[in-house]
Order: sequence, then structure tokens, then C-alpha cells
Amino acid sequence: EDKVVQSPLSLVVHEGDTVTLNCSYEVTNFRSLLWYKQEKKAPTFLFMLTSSGIEKKSGRLSSILDKKELSSILNITATQTGDSAIYLCAGLNNAGNMLTFGGGTRLMVKP
Amino acid sequence: GAGVSQSPRYKVAKRGQDVALRCDPISGHVSLFWYQQALGQGPEFLTYFQNEAQLDKSGLPSDRFFAERPEGSVSTLKIQRTQQEDSAVYLCASSHRRSQETQYFGPGTRLLVL
Repeated sequence: EDKVVQSPLSLVVHEGDTVTLNCSYEVTNFRSLLWYKQEKKAPTFLFMLTSSGIEKKSGRLSSILDKKELSSILNITATQTGDSAIYLCAGLNNAGNMLTFGGGTRLMVKP
Repeated sequence: GAGVSQSPRYKVAKRGQDVALRCDPISGHVSLFWYQQALGQGPEFLTYFQNEAQLDKSGLPSDRFFAERPEGSVSTLKIQRTQQEDSAVYLCASSHRRSQETQYFGPGTRLLVL
């Protein structure tokens, strides 16, 4: 059975701090690893990682995939209160028809 | 807007009642997915459509759950004889390609079964 595990479960930091969120996966016929940010509503797409070792960046957020270790990290630098959310990672199978989500990391950024 | 929409946004049902949840995917998206998200957990896959064909329903928790997409666009998730453990947020997502990559999520329907 496919499994995705995220750590930590929750994290409280102050504005300006840098955080690293972890994701490990066991996905049969793995294709890609996706990161989503979920506030009160729908998960919104952040990154899709398919190749190992290539960092993807979007502003203060960056992410990288390690296929050897079956893991990924999401970094957020200079955190802001607006970064407070649940961050979900998900493994996508090769057929592209199933996302297996982790339980999420709840990030709270205090002013 | 051009995003995925779902209705109703909130639904309170009495145990034993049938409910129907609607999803309008992004226009032109071939693939449509339903997920169930319990409080404090990540979304869990329920079922997947490619156009009108339901290609995978392995995640549906019981035969009380039924999904359809008869014309390949709007989809309905029906839950019969609801039980308290059905209380969750039901998320719908759609994606553009057959062998899809990025799924775009709707706001979800929060179902509470009393």
C-alpha cells in the first residue's frame, strides 16, 4: 500500500524564521512528488518534482526531491504570517491517476 | 471564476439520510478526482474519472458511496444512508491531461452527519 509521511506534524515559528518541512514516500510506480498549501479551503498547488536533485523555487519557497532517499523537503525562508497553513505533500503514480497524500504539516507563523 | 467549484459548501445531514455532492471541474479538464479529507488528516483518494468513464473506484469506503460523471463534465458523489464516520470534507479536483500532472482542487464540501 502506498504511503506518504510528513514531519513535523506541526510547527510554530516567528516571522523571519526559516523552516524545513519533510516528506517521505513509498509509492508504487512513482512518477512525481507534489506539494500543496492548504489554508481554509482547497489545496493550492506549489511544486511538482519529478527529477532528483533539481531544486524548484518560487519566491521564498523552494523544494527538492531525493529519489534515492524517497524523500523531499520544502523550505520557506523569511516566513510571514501569511505562510501559516497546512502543507501537504503527495506522491503521484506513473499512470498519473492517483495522488497519495501525507497527513500534512501545520505551520503557524507568529508575528 | 475558472476554477473547480463544488456545491453545497456545507451540508448537515441526519444519520441515515442520503446526500449528493456536486463538482464542476475546470472546463476542458479530462480527469476528475474525488477525495475525502477527515479532520486533521490529508486527503484520501476515493475515485477517478477520465471523461465519463470511472476508471478507478478503489478508494470508495463502502457500497454506500457512488460517483458518476455521465457527460464527462459535472460529477456527483452520492452517499446513501449516511453515518457519522462519513463526516469529512469532500474535495474534488480536475486536471487537464489524460496522463495528468497537476490537479486543481475545488473548495470542498464540508459534510457533517449528526
